[in-house]
Amino acid sequence: EPEVTQTPSHQVTQMGQEVILRCVPISNHLYFYWYRQILGQKVEFLVSFYNNEISEKSEIFDDQFSVERPDGSNFTLKIRSTKLEDSAMYFCASSGTELRLSYEQYFGPGTRLTVT
Amino acid sequence: LAKTTQPISMDSYEGQEVNITCSHNNIATNDYITWYQQFPSQGPRFIIQGYKTKVTNEVASLFIPADRKSSTLSLPRVSLSDTAVYYCLVGGAFSGNTPLVFGKGTRLSVIA
Repeated sequence: EPEVTQTPSHQVTQMGQEVILRCVPISNHLYFYWYRQILGQKVEFLVSFYNNEISEKSEIFDDQFSVERPDGSNFTLKIRSTKLEDSAMYFCASSGTELRLSYEQYFGPGTRLTVT
Repeated sequence: LAKTTQPISMDSYEGQEVNITCSHNNIATNDYITWYQQFPSQGPRFIIQGYKTKVTNEVASLFIPADRKSSTLSLPRVSLSDTAVYYCLVGGAFSGNTPLVFGKGTRLSVIA
């Protein structure tokens, strides 16, 4: 069964450093998302991406965040200058094909980001 | 988006049927009800979706009364591996890029 993959599984960085989290969505999916989950809290939506542009973003997704689909398979989340409060599990998700739009989103295993 | 309310936690013994009820009094006409499951340190996973009456798949059943103001996720004969957080979400079914809005979910603990 196809699945969403994410790398790295764990990233440790110092405050103020840039990080790039990588995701490979399911190959024929059209819609891509990033979510985050701070330890012990809810899963929160960050951004959705379709047709090479951002469709929607939350208040969390400020100027420090950016997303990119640099090639036909990868989908990345960049945090320009990390803060302590960016420490969280970051989940990538994908959904929808040309034949069938779907509310069902497929999540990756997550990248645990620790900012020290 | 319709607000959802579900119990914070539930305990069950192995082999029992578990029913988790979600209230969504302000559900809109075109909203669907969707349930996700999340194991510790993993991403959420789609379980089931429905609009009205009853939906069943290989994992669970979803019961939705006629007024659609609540729904019940039914897990038949749970095992230890069903220990997870279960989220009830309400929103449009066919909006391709609709963000999922998760609440706190129901933490199910299955005991041997």
